[in-house]
Amino acid sequence: KAGVTQTPRYLIKTRGQQVTLSCSPISGHRSVSWYQQTPGQGLQFLFEYFSETQRNKGNFPGRFSGRQFSNSRSEMNVSTLELGDSALYLCASSLGGDSPLHFGNGTRLTVT
Amino acid sequence: GEDVEQSLFLSVREGDSSVINCTYTDSSSTYLYWYKQEPGAGLQLLTYIFSNMDMKQDQRLTVLLNKKDKHLSLRIADTQTGDSAIYFCAESTGSGNTGKLIFGQGTTLQVKP
Repeated sequence: KAGVTQTPRYLIKTRGQQVTLSCSPISGHRSVSWYQQTPGQGLQFLFEYFSETQRNKGNFPGRFSGRQFSNSRSEMNVSTLELGDSALYLCASSLGGDSPLHFGNGTRLTVT
Repeated sequence: GEDVEQSLFLSVREGDSSVINCTYTDSSSTYLYWYKQEPGAGLQLLTYIFSNMDMKQDQRLTVLLNKKDKHLSLRIADTQTGDSAIYFCAESTGSGNTGKLIFGQGTTLQVKP
């Protein structure tokens, strides 16, 4: 079974631009969560989608948004990029319920 | 609020056992997890334990949970150089919130040959 796939692996953007990251969950998984990882703040929860509905949201500004499609694939969007948005963005999927999260290899975003 | 604490660094000799410790605050946590992160990679799920269990063993890995003290540990037997990585402890935030985990800062495990 293929794991969680995130594209692209690396991305370089300029301040003020916007970016879209993509995540394909493990086949059959309906829950997709997004996390931001930085050296200073560690791993922080962004949001979770289940059956195309946002089920939970972390403490991030409205510039961070996401969506989930009917095939469970998910995208997250960051608008008006700031230097502090430079991070590793990790996507995780699960069956839902109490099943564990499985993570992808992440998208490394650098904002210059 | 919810918080997970880990020591930042552990150094062991190859062949020794490693014990990584974690404390958490949310008494309603249903599951506790251990993830491993190697350089340039995402998080690899190592093992997890349900909050009503005291211990779980999986090959070289042993997880101990002391729910009263909110203390979780991961023991790696016969540690190998390939075990060098960052290890994260994480807690779920209760039923219905399984996509949201609270992570510790990570423990860097250095294995010396």
